[in-house]
Amino acid sequence: DTEVTQTPKHLVMGMTNKKSLKCEQHMGHRAMYWYKQKAKKPPELMFVYSYEKLSINESVPSRFSPECPNSSLLNLHLHALQPEDSALYLCASSQDPGQGIYEQYFGPGTRLTVT
Amino acid sequence: DQQVKQNSPSLSVQEGRISILNCDYTNSMFDYFLWYKKYPAEGPTFLISISSIKDKNEDGRFTVFLNKSAKHLSLHIVPSQPGDSAVYFCAASGGEYGNKLVFGAGTILRVKS
Repeated sequence: DTEVTQTPKHLVMGMTNKKSLKCEQHMGHRAMYWYKQKAKKPPELMFVYSYEKLSINESVPSRFSPECPNSSLLNLHLHALQPEDSALYLCASSQDPGQGIYEQYFGPGTRLTVT
Repeated sequence: DQQVKQNSPSLSVQEGRISILNCDYTNSMFDYFLWYKKYPAEGPTFLISISSIKDKNEDGRFTVFLNKSAKHLSLHIVPSQPGDSAVYFCAASGGEYGNKLVFGAGTILRVKS
């Protein structure tokens, strides 16, 4: 099973709202990722968690706040977003990051619109 | 500076023929390469990968070729099917990038029936 699930599928929020995106995997993967993807562009890495610890933050603005409650779950908390943050937000996971296995499995994404 | 390049924005192929998607990279420290397929409004789907110690990897209709000296890889799809119409992303990893993926810009493949 190579499934990563994400909720919600679509989200519309105002610039003063607080919302959260959720991601779940049950493949026993120990690395999880958040990406942002704009139309006609490749996915852009935001955060990486390895063994439930934040290992990479790609200089993402603080209005995006990641959280990894356990090895299967990954959240992205959103607050005071701007219209330019509208995008497809993708979660991905991969096996033990120290073993040279690089395949990442992506969820279906959350389509976020900031009004 | 783009370290992974897909120079063809789009490719159109007749059903049943071969599709060849190309990817070039500049960083010789990359040691693992992957291809992903993406439909609109969906997440990328992993297709096939290759380690730098190999020059070919095959999985069903998909074959990836790696030419390390030319820093070039290609994805061959044979035979092409209309359902293969999607955006294909090449990605590289390893070396200083660890488990981060560096993506190319993507190539839109259209398979005509």
